[in-house]
Amino acid sequence: AQKITQTQPGMFVQEKEAVTLDCTYDTSDPSYGLFWYKQPSSGEMIFLIYQGSYDQQNATEGRYSLNFQKARKSANLVISASQLGDSAMYFCAMRPNSGGSNYKLTFGKGTLLTVNP
Amino acid sequence: DAGITQSPRYKITETGRQVTLMCHQTWSHSYMFWYRQDLGHGLRLIYYSAAADITDKGEVPDGYVVSRSKTENFPLTLESATRSQTSVYFCASSRDRTSYEQYFGPGTRLTVT
Repeated sequence: AQKITQTQPGMFVQEKEAVTLDCTYDTSDPSYGLFWYKQPSSGEMIFLIYQGSYDQQNATEGRYSLNFQKARKSANLVISASQLGDSAMYFCAMRPNSGGSNYKLTFGKGTLLTVNP
Repeated sequence: DAGITQSPRYKITETGRQVTLMCHQTWSHSYMFWYRQDLGHGLRLIYYSAAADITDKGEVPDGYVVSRSKTENFPLTLESATRSQTSVYFCASSRDRTSYEQYFGPGTRLTVT
């Protein structure tokens, strides 16, 4: 079974500063993928970034980067130069990349990020 | 390019009534999913479908029924709604088994009174 833990229910950051959102995971699958989604107050789920467990480099997408530490089973999201529009709920998720259930996403409970002006 | 749509966006129903939430995608994606989102639980998978006429249970399937007669549609039915099914429901799709990205619909907020 897979488990995602996000220990920060809420985070605050000043505009233009960087912020790290924590995510730890547990899985017995040898190959897996890690995801971050953003959910603004309007409710839609927006895919941000993906990291494969065998990827050699940490994933980056614009101001988003994923700090992947496989031995520690952590996949923290780093947002650089925070903007007011980054205020949202952020979900970490994972799924196995092999086997019969390699399309089932397991989500964490989320972290609510507030960016202060 | 409509993408993935859900209807209705908001629904209030009474305990014991049957209600169907609709999901439609225009990409011809093979995989479709239904999640529910509740405070303190994140998103949990209810049912998924690998193709038309192929569906299977997720983490929390009790009280729900799905069907998929056409690739583009994946309706979710609450056969006899209960208050515990008050939630926000998200439909999602992905291109195929190897595609890593799931695309989410806008969600349906369901209240059972």
